[in-house]
Amino acid sequence: GENVEQHPSTLSVQEGDSAVIKCTYSDSASNYFPWYKQELGKGPQLIIDIRSNMDKRQGQRVTVLLNKTVKHLSLQIAATQPGDSAVYFCAENGGANNLFFGTGTRLTVIP
Amino acid sequence: DAGVIQSPRHEVTEMGQEVTLRCKPISGHDYLFWYRQTMMRGLELLIYFNNNVPIDDSGMPEDRFSAKMPNASFSTLKIQPSEPRDSAVYFCASRPRSGRDNEQFFGPGTRLTVL
Repeated sequence: GENVEQHPSTLSVQEGDSAVIKCTYSDSASNYFPWYKQELGKGPQLIIDIRSNMDKRQGQRVTVLLNKTVKHLSLQIAATQPGDSAVYFCAENGGANNLFFGTGTRLTVIP
Repeated sequence: DAGVIQSPRHEVTEMGQEVTLRCKPISGHDYLFWYRQTMMRGLELLIYFNNNVPIDDSGMPEDRFSAKMPNASFSTLKIQPSEPRDSAVYFCASRPRSGRDNEQFFGPGTRLTVL
């Protein structure tokens, strides 16, 4: 559960546009996939998560997709706002109690 | 609830000095995690505890690092002696035994600079 690839590393979008971040993982035992948002000077905060018995979950302006066959997951943020600017991390649990994080995506929303 | 509390928020020390980072998890949470975040290596798990017992310390870099959890409301991460390459932001996180899966609640972090 330690190999989580995330891309892009940086992403700039115009306010109102959508942002998409993608991750791939390698551990087939993983059954929990959270996405965290980290603002400058703060700790990561959970924004949405998905379990392996689902392939899609929606929140407020955020949608996460999970494709277990190819071990891909993605986060879409719709109608982006300047307050969405932050670093976003995907993670997976490798079927265990801890989490393994991706390398992060720095999202900048341009007003 | 005050959330996970970490102290100090910033620490600047000189190489060779002992550094102690402190964490108070959310009350009632059974799991406590220590992470290190750097630009080069991202967010790395160092060690985690369940009911005050260390479960996995395979992420602890070397013997200079040690962590303790003497009770359910307090944990420390100690570096002795510190080196410049230990400069990073150290996060503590906690999680309840039950509840929403593996959601971890992070503290604000301690930014450590070793000169």
